[in-house]
Amino acid sequence: GQQLNQSPQSMFIQEGEDVSMNCTSSSIFNTWLWYKQDPGEGPVLLIALYKAGELTSNGRLTAQFGITRKDSFLNISASIPSDVGIYFCAGQLYYGGSQGNLIFGKGTKLSVKP
Amino acid sequence: GAGVSQSPSNKVTEKGKDVELRCDPISGHTALYWYRQSLGQGLEFLIYFQGNSAPDKSGLPSDRFSAERTGGSVSTLTIQRTQQEDSAVYLCAAAWTANYGYTFGSGTRLTVV
Repeated sequence: GQQLNQSPQSMFIQEGEDVSMNCTSSSIFNTWLWYKQDPGEGPVLLIALYKAGELTSNGRLTAQFGITRKDSFLNISASIPSDVGIYFCAGQLYYGGSQGNLIFGKGTKLSVKP
Repeated sequence: GAGVSQSPSNKVTEKGKDVELRCDPISGHTALYWYRQSLGQGLEFLIYFQGNSAPDKSGLPSDRFSAERTGGSVSTLTIQRTQQEDSAVYLCAAAWTANYGYTFGSGTRLTVV
C-alpha cells in the first residue's frame, strides 16, 4: 500500500531558527497537505498543495509540491515557541471526481531546545 | 455547525465491552473520514463516507469495527468486544469536495482497561 516517509521524526528548535522537514512517497499524489497537531487536539491544516512544482507560503511557513509528485517539504522560518507541536504531511490521490482518503506520514515532533 | 464535533472526548471501557463513538460533521460536508492515532504514531485511515456512495471500509482493522453515517450527516464508529490494542485517539474529519483539505475534530481518546 501507499506509505509516506516523513523526516526527521523529531527535532529541537531554538527561537529564531529556520526549520525544514520533508515527506517522500513511493506513489504519486494529486494533493499534498501539511497539518499541525497540538496536544489534545485534532490536526489543523496549514498548507495545501494541488499542483506539481507548486510553492506556497502561509506566513512563516513555506511548502512545495515536488515535481515528481512523490515528495513535499515544509519550511518554517524564524521559529517561535508556539511552533512546537507535531507536524504531519499527508498525500491524497483522487480520481474521476471521487475523493480518495488521505495517507499520513508519522509526523515530525518539534520541541524547544532545553 | 462551526466545526467537527466528536463525543465523548474521553472514554474508558473494560475489555470486551462495546463502544460507540460519535462524529457530528460540518453542515454540508459530503465527505467524512475516521482515523485512528495510537500514541506517538501517525494517523491510520479507517473508513471513508462520500455522499450516497458505498463507504470505503478498506482501513478497518477487523470485523469488530463498523461505522455508519445516517442521513449524510452524523456518523458513529462502533467497536465491539474491545481489546487493549484498540486504545487510541479516534479522529473524525469532514471535507467539502475532492480538492479540499479536511477539517478534523478534537478526537475521542479511548482507553481499554
